[in-house]
Amino acid sequence: QVQLQESGPGLVKPSQTLSLTCAVSGGSISSGDYYWNWIRQHPGKGLEWIGYIYNSGSTYYNPSLKSRVTISVDTSESHFSLRLSSVTVADTAVYYCSRGTQLYFDYWGQGALVTVSS
Amino acid sequence: SSELTQDPAVSVALGQTVRITCRGDILRSYYANWYQQKPGQAPILVIYGKNNRPSGIPDRFSGSSSGNTASLTITGAQAEDEADYYCNSRDNSVNHWVFGGGTKLTVL
Repeated sequence: QVQLQESGPGLVKPSQTLSLTCAVSGGSISSGDYYWNWIRQHPGKGLEWIGYIYNSGSTYYNPSLKSRVTISVDTSESHFSLRLSSVTVADTAVYYCSRGTQLYFDYWGQGALVTVSS
Repeated sequence: SSELTQDPAVSVALGQTVRITCRGDILRSYYANWYQQKPGQAPILVIYGKNNRPSGIPDRFSGSSSGNTASLTITGAQAEDEADYYCNSRDNSVNHWVFGGGTKLTVL
């Protein structure tokens, strides 16, 4: 059973960079035809796909966030990471990591609330 | 357009059948997937592809699709089915994923 767990600071100041890591266990992050995704949910709102990294290292990002997002993977540590630069209060959200196939997201982390505030 | 549109809220009487819909042009190319989210919890996949249920999902959940509309049907809704439901699909024209706005299901 694949498990994902987000970790990182719960509070980030405006204009700084949000950094989160997703630890993957119960399966190899570097095997199989999987996409490793970040998805966020603003308080009381719907889900927003941020981007993914494919195990080849290719990345794709939501066009609305592309200029500020970087997703990377560390296969030796079995985790992947999200960096979102120049954050504002509008980036306050629960951030989920998720494993995806070409067609759907099958495993999700429990989510990490990140608040942007001075 | 990459948008997926869902009704904000739907209600169903206990034990009855309810259909939740999702509309969008990208559904003409890829099937919708459906996720259930209960308060304070992460979403879980309940239907993927044409009409597939992951292990552990009750068979009262089913999916269907026609043209630009996908539907999630719960046959014999239970109290524990009360949740938010999100559709999602892939927009291959720009190689990224889209979610619907979610439907809050109330079981009366």
